[in-house]
Amino acid sequence: DIVMTQSPDSLAVSLGERATINCKSSQNILYGSNNGNYLAWYQQKPGQPPKLLFYWASTRESGVPDRFSGSGSGTDFTLTISSLQAEDVAVYYCQQYYTTPITFGQGTRLEIK
Amino acid sequence: EVQLVESGGGLVQPGGSLRLSCEASGFPFSSYAMSWVRQAPGKGLEWVSIISGNGLSTDYADSVKGRVTISRDNSKNTLYLQMNSLRVDDTAVYYCGKSMTTFITSRRENWFDPWGQGTLVTVSS
Repeated sequence: DIVMTQSPDSLAVSLGERATINCKSSQNILYGSNNGNYLAWYQQKPGQPPKLLFYWASTRESGVPDRFSGSGSGTDFTLTISSLQAEDVAVYYCQQYYTTPITFGQGTRLEIK
Repeated sequence: EVQLVESGGGLVQPGGSLRLSCEASGFPFSSYAMSWVRQAPGKGLEWVSIISGNGLSTDYADSVKGRVTISRDNSKNTLYLQMNSLRVDDTAVYYCGKSMTTFITSRRENWFDPWGQGTLVTVSS
């Protein structure tokens, strides 16, 4: 199974500052034939289902603010919020869809400092 | 609008059974693979099972294999999860999620969007 490991487990950032969440896969999830990284990012707010933010590691879902960005390739990926807003408080998950079993990172809780 | 609505959760004793449903609307249901993902109280996300658009291919997490069966009725736009021999550690909110592809083989577009609101399954004596 591909293990997804996020860091840190929790993060406190001041409003307007940058937040960075890392995700590392135990195996390469870049497929050479299409140069695609099989990684998605989700945001989950309390009492709500997860919401898709990015797929293919860096393709922003429609409606997601451009202060959010996804990057990385191979085994190392990053979700960045350039200027933290109060509504960004949530738990963030990465997910690999390279192969089954589909696996998620353990989540990173983002709070306001 | 694409919408997924789960139902069927509840309180069940260890060893019991439950069938969850996920009613879909707003998209051609049979064209897309569907998954179940669960979240134990205060914990992270765990993928449970996936089924192809035509219902002929399925896959399961090791934690539920042999106890759970995923199925779909494309004429009713409904996804199911039959859960048997339930254990205390199956307690979770169960979400259904729509894939971006009809296929479930490796290296397919199996990220999930949208997700339903979830249905709570509590296994307790």
